[in-house]
Amino acid sequence: NAGVTQTPKFQVLKTGQSMTLQCAQDMNHEYMSWYRQDPGMGLRLIHYSVGAGITDQGEVPNGYNVSRSTTEDFPLRLLSAAPSQTSVYFCASSYAGSSGNTIYFGEGSWLTVV
Amino acid sequence: TQLLEQSPQFLSIQEGENLTVYCNSSSVFSSLQWYRQEPGEGPVLLVTVVTGGEVKKLKRLTFQFGDARKDSSLHITAAQPGDTGLYLCAGARGGKLIFGQGTELSVKP
Repeated sequence: NAGVTQTPKFQVLKTGQSMTLQCAQDMNHEYMSWYRQDPGMGLRLIHYSVGAGITDQGEVPNGYNVSRSTTEDFPLRLLSAAPSQTSVYFCASSYAGSSGNTIYFGEGSWLTVV
Repeated sequence: TQLLEQSPQFLSIQEGENLTVYCNSSSVFSSLQWYRQEPGEGPVLLVTVVTGGEVKKLKRLTFQFGDARKDSSLHITAAQPGDTGLYLCAGARGGKLIFGQGTELSVKP
């Protein structure tokens, strides 16, 4: 009963380092997305994908890259980590878009950039 | 500027009290969802409202979508300590889901 699986759960990076947050879903969902959650700001959309091979930018895409080579996986790459990217990151998936569809979230990845 | 404004941001009440959380915007949404999030976990969907004026009930929780589909409210009757958590509204627009800042609810026994 995996649902949406994110790894790692916790990560500490030094400024300038790069890393990839992994996200996998086993529900055959077309739509996947990445959010970051900061105190008092709710969740902000970073990037999203409506299917394999298709990605698009959300509200706060700068400093992040994504790719969608398979339906199951949607990794988020931090190219050169900055302290402003310290946040909790959530991956989410749903059957088709967000309008009226149930979105399933992963458990989150806590990232600290020092 | 937040596209979806939630109020209040923090709410601390006693068990048994009623409360209402508001989610307001100047933009129209095709649907609006309410989520509840507990510490260390991802948000979990409570309800989706799609039609202007729609009212949905989930036990002691009542959700309403504004007639113009720009705002929504969540009303909890006789709050319980188990209702404690972060409540988030999210509007669907152009294929994206936009979240409000969240309302941190604490219900004391």
